[in-house]
Amino acid sequence: DAKTTQPNSMESNEEEPVHLPCNHSTISGTDYIHWYRQLPSQGPEYVIHGLTSNVNNRMASLAIAEDRKSSTLILHRATLRDAAVYYCILKSYFGNEKLTFGTGTRLTIIP
Amino acid sequence: ETGVTQTPRHLVMGMTNKKSLKCEQHLGHNAMYWYKQSAKKPLELMFVYNFKEQTENNSVPSRFSPECPNSSHLFLHLHTLQPEDSALYLCASSQDQASGAGELFFGEGSRLTVL
Repeated sequence: DAKTTQPNSMESNEEEPVHLPCNHSTISGTDYIHWYRQLPSQGPEYVIHGLTSNVNNRMASLAIAEDRKSSTLILHRATLRDAAVYYCILKSYFGNEKLTFGTGTRLTIIP
Repeated sequence: ETGVTQTPRHLVMGMTNKKSLKCEQHLGHNAMYWYKQSAKKPLELMFVYNFKEQTENNSVPSRFSPECPNSSHLFLHLHTLQPEDSALYLCASSQDQASGAGELFFGEGSRLTVL
């Protein structure tokens, strides 16, 4: 499985943008980049995914590098409810029986 | 509310007990998954079912026995567990296993403590 590398933790001030980086230098051409987050005492929830182009949805934006070896999840205006562990995951176009979650980035929001 | 419901939310059992975890999804999905999340460890995939057929067993000890009677229900039967099996057990579903673009929907988990 292609692996991802994320910082263990990050802090951000409330109401400011947050940029969460992810490196995936061994990504294959058929791998989607997915982001999930896990709030305290809850299961992970889907945030966003993309293949090559940048993506936006109501929760966040995903910026994908041109060589696809890295990506950045952007929370445009962080709130206290965004404090969570954020996971960057690669998922094969053909399906991935062993969808692998790493340790993720623990995001702390400072009021 | 994600559409994936897990019961019980909390379970305490002795090493000689037999218990089951239940997962139900109302999303019309065809793939269901069991994950284990131990303290300070990444999520570990345990089992995958696609259209009721088990397609993945990630070297899980036989004291964990999954059952998928239909596409909406998934069970994890627990027997003769060890204290190190204490963890949060998460169920997830997706449209099917084959789509790389498909998202996983997780339940809130069942917190298991083995005494």
